[in-house]
Amino acid sequence: SQTIHQWPATLVQPVGSPLSLECTVEGTSNPNLYWYRQAAGRGLQLLFYSVGIGQISSEVPQNLSASRPQDRQFILSSKKLLLSDSGFYLCACSTGSDYTFGSGTRLTVV
Amino acid sequence: AQSVSQHNHHVILSEAASLELGCNYSYGGTVNLFWYVQYPGQHLQLLLKYFSGDPLVKGIKGFEAEFIKSKFSFNLRKPSVQWSDTAEYFCAVIFLNAGNNRKLIWGLGTSLAVNP
Repeated sequence: SQTIHQWPATLVQPVGSPLSLECTVEGTSNPNLYWYRQAAGRGLQLLFYSVGIGQISSEVPQNLSASRPQDRQFILSSKKLLLSDSGFYLCACSTGSDYTFGSGTRLTVV
Repeated sequence: AQSVSQHNHHVILSEAASLELGCNYSYGGTVNLFWYVQYPGQHLQLLLKYFSGDPLVKGIKGFEAEFIKSKFSFNLRKPSVQWSDTAEYFCAVIFLNAGNNRKLIWGLGTSLAVNP
């Protein structure tokens, strides 16, 4: 079965600083990969998904970007964080209709 | 566009009460259906899922859900809730053959509080 490693678990960053969250997958190859954000009191919003190396689709316009340099590595980045980027970020992978989620990163921008 | 609606945003129950959380989706095609739970401070966990077959699906911790295709619904039920069921519950749907690469579309979630 597939396993997702996502780090760090919590992060406090000042406004204007860069961001890099990493997610790696074990136990499968060529998965679809996803970055979600869960804002306080709201559901999960899909930010990016990738069906292969170097293939990134953005779901919503925003201050963030994603990259997939390797088959099982998915990175969420920002050059300059905004206060509104605070939230809970989840990485997920899927093979077919079976999804696995990472443990998430709680990002607080101050 | 495909969407998922959860009608109850906040639910408060007493222990031993019965639970039903509504979930509807907008799409006439084939779907895969999921209920996830997020306990306070913990990760998302899969409660149950429906891909095909018996529309009454049994999941973990005594939860079940019924897929009613004619109503585009997948309501979550539990006959008798416990304090430990206090959590956020999410309905999610994959709209197959809709050209969306099997992305999960999420409802906004229902916050359940069970009073002891």
